[in-house]
Amino acid sequence: EAAVTQSPRNKVAVTGGKVTLSCNQTNNHNNMYWYRQDTGHGLRLIHYSYGAGSTEKGDIPDGYKASRPSQENFSLILELATPSQTSVYFCASGEGSQNTLYFGAGTRLSVL
Amino acid sequence: QQKVQQSPESLIVPEGGMASLNCTSSDRNVDYFWWYRQHSGKSPKMLMSIFSNGEKEEGRFTVHLNKASLHTSLHIRDSQPSDSALYLCAASSAGNKLTFGIGTRVLVRP
Repeated sequence: EAAVTQSPRNKVAVTGGKVTLSCNQTNNHNNMYWYRQDTGHGLRLIHYSYGAGSTEKGDIPDGYKASRPSQENFSLILELATPSQTSVYFCASGEGSQNTLYFGAGTRLSVL
Repeated sequence: QQKVQQSPESLIVPEGGMASLNCTSSDRNVDYFWWYRQHSGKSPKMLMSIFSNGEKEEGRFTVHLNKASLHTSLHIRDSQPSDSALYLCAASSAGNKLTFGIGTRVLVRP
């Protein structure tokens, strides 16, 4: 089965601090995604990528940056973390327009 | 406003009963629909996909799609306690970007 690994699994950050969430996939998929999941909002797309070196803005990109240095790795960066960014973050990989997304286990982020 | 609307928000089903979940997209460019299942504390996993009008059955699960109305439904027959989960509908239009609904939480009571 497709493998997507996220780190860290849990993170507590201070307001104004920098946070980097990492994602690694061994599926050789071109597409990678970052979502956040909050009660009442479901899964919302933050950033995505079609391949190494590319990043695209999703539906809620404000306050987040993304980096795709290689096929396998996709990072989400919070330069100045705020309490409103407390959430569960999921990374996913997939391929093609009919692609099934394979999700990582998630990162629970608390910004205090 | 959510582009992918799901109903009901929650559902309680007796063990062995039928669960019916609905999903509608407001984006007329949508081409494909998926259903994902997410058990508590876990990540979403794809359950079924449907890309053409009609019906698709896999075991106890059946999905329907009406592309004219951009409506899909998921039906779970002979529901089991292990089916208790959050069911997420997803749709994609341009490119490969998926949009998810808020989900329907299903509880199967033994």
